[in-house]
Amino acid sequence: GNSVTQMEGPVTLSEEAFLTINCTYTATGYPSLFWYVQYPGEGLQLLLKATKADDKGSNKGFEATYRKETTSFHLEKGSVQVSDSAVYFCALSDRTGRRALTFGSGTRLQVQP
Amino acid sequence: SAVISQKPSRDICQRGTSLTIQCQVDSQVTMMFWYRQQPGQSLTLIATANQGSEATYESGFVIDKFPISRPNLTFSTLTVSNMSPEDSSIYLCSARTGMESPLHFGNGTRLTVT
Repeated sequence: GNSVTQMEGPVTLSEEAFLTINCTYTATGYPSLFWYVQYPGEGLQLLLKATKADDKGSNKGFEATYRKETTSFHLEKGSVQVSDSAVYFCALSDRTGRRALTFGSGTRLQVQP
Repeated sequence: SAVISQKPSRDICQRGTSLTIQCQVDSQVTMMFWYRQQPGQSLTLIATANQGSEATYESGFVIDKFPISRPNLTFSTLTVSNMSPEDSSIYLCSARTGMESPLHFGNGTRLTVT
């Protein structure tokens, strides 16, 4: 079956530091890949997505590239801000049937001023 | 994009009782799903809410415990039946407007069972 593995948190960084959150996946076929973010006290929001190999999703300074050869979709940001403190979830959706999402375990990011 | 409203936003319930969570979307959607997020953990898919027919449940979830309705293209309910403390979780409704569109989430219902 499908699965998503994320690096464990919490990840604690100083403001303006470089961020990488690792995500690898197992799936049949060619899934679509997503990063969702959950800010404190809020619901899940779609951060970015990529639907095929070598696609790069980007939003709010975050980027992730769909790497089929390494089955990875690592999230990166060049300079984090305190407001980026949140829980980040990597997810995949297969291309058949219902296209429900399979989520990773989530990674909590704490950015200190 | 779809805006999803869930209610109640939170509730504290006694064991053995049932709670029905409502999910309303501001536009017609093709797919609706219910997820559970246990404290400090990731999201687990409970079931797909099918319009006009029985929901499709994931392994480990059964209709008697989590009956779901979806009478039309914008509304669904999830009932958590005969609750125990292990059911304490956040329950999230999600929906997409088309097969290629992203999945949107409601803010969730935080359930505490005492």
